Amino acid sequence: AQKITQTQPGMFVQEKEAVTLDCTYDTSDPSYGLFWYKQPSSGEMIFLIYQGSYDQQNATEGRYSLNFQKARKSANLVISASQLGDSAMYFCAMRERGSSNTGKLIFGQGTTLQVKP
Amino acid sequence: GAVVSQHPSRVICKSGTSVKIECRSLDFQATTMFWYRQFPKKSLMLMATSNEGSKATYEQGVEKDKFLINHASLTLSTLTVTSAHPEDSSFYICSARIASHSNQPQHFGDGTRLSIL
Repeated sequence: AQKITQTQPGMFVQEKEAVTLDCTYDTSDPSYGLFWYKQPSSGEMIFLIYQGSYDQQNATEGRYSLNFQKARKSANLVISASQLGDSAMYFCAMRERGSSNTGKLIFGQGTTLQVKP
Repeated sequence: GAVVSQHPSRVICKSGTSVKIECRSLDFQATTMFWYRQFPKKSLMLMATSNEGSKATYEQGVEKDKFLINHASLTLSTLTVTSAHPEDSSFYICSARIASHSNQPQHFGDGTRLSIL
């Protein structure tokens, strides 16, 4: 069963506007971590933001924030004030406690974001 | 700066050739590294978990004899694609985690684009 789901294959956003990229997950483990990565066309994976399952507050990192709704098992990424350089593929990933010793990540399908000038 | 170095970034070779890809952790020791494969505009598929000083743990469906992994030191893991064929053409990317804490992200190399003619 798919554990990480990103339902938006592609998204468009106007420059300087905010955009939300959806991510839902499925786990029975009470302890887990959620990550977002950005992958530009050059291929490198850039870590953006992390949310722990026990964190009381939503994570924020500069223009990135994570809308964590634990009961709904969603961890949407919000990018504020979009820039042309934000155009890339974005991946949501999860690490369960059972994988805490190795750090194994499960990735979603990805969302391609295009920022329009 | 980069914390994980992957080399080479691109390989083009003839069918039947074996290709070695290196993944090095910079300035930290990585007892565990990960190897992923990615097709164009698709998600990252975990191939195997590389464990320093022991055998790699392969994901279901990944041929151990085809994709040889060696993790002989705390800073180096290698993936060898043996007798490569055109269907092995893909983007291969490695990652490592700095610490065993659950909120530490995996840091990725820049990936290797493998093209088998």
